[in-house]
Amino acid sequence: AQTVTQSQPEMSVQEAETVTLSCTYDTSENNYYLFWYKQPPSRQMILVIRQEAYKQQNATENRFSVNFQKAAKSFSLKISDSQLGDTAMYFCAFIPYNNNDMRFGAGTRLTVKP
Amino acid sequence: DAGVTQSPTHLIKTRGQQVTLRCSPKSGHDTVSWYQQALGQGPQFIFQYYEEEERQRGNFPDRFSGHQFPNYSSELNVNALLLGDSALYLCASSLGGVRSYEQYFGPGTRLTVT
Repeated sequence: AQTVTQSQPEMSVQEAETVTLSCTYDTSENNYYLFWYKQPPSRQMILVIRQEAYKQQNATENRFSVNFQKAAKSFSLKISDSQLGDTAMYFCAFIPYNNNDMRFGAGTRLTVKP
Repeated sequence: DAGVTQSPTHLIKTRGQQVTLRCSPKSGHDTVSWYQQALGQGPQFIFQYYEEEERQRGNFPDRFSGHQFPNYSSELNVNALLLGDSALYLCASSLGGVRSYEQYFGPGTRLTVT
């Protein structure tokens, strides 16, 4: 079974500081994609960052970066210089190549404090 | 460029009734996926429609059915509603083929079953 686990239900960080959200996944597939999605209180899911499993280099999008450890099946998200607008639910997601069933973790609620 | 839209925003139904939710994909997209997001959980894949056919289905009963129209818009139908069907229903659109993993989400429809 392909599962995604986010072990931190809630986290908080002071504005301008750095925070890391954890995600592990379980799969027997070798080729897949990993994602971090953000769901603000207005609830529209927004893609934050994407990683393709065959790429060894960790993806980076402005203040957001990932630490992808394929052997450990770990995919953490680092948010640098946290902003109040980063307050949201963050979901880690996984989808194998040639498959359309995207699996999500239960989410981490991040609060950025002023 | 219009994003993914869903209607209605909120819906209240009684157990045993039937409901239809609607989704219009992002301009240029031809594939629609539906997800159920129960309170406090991550989204769960219901099914995906491509070329007006159900391409893949998640672990949901036959009470959940769908349709895709020639203009790529889609409907999700749920029959014989149960209290457990109360959730946020998300629609996501993408381009068919190898890039179908790049999904853009709509704001969702909040369904409450009483």
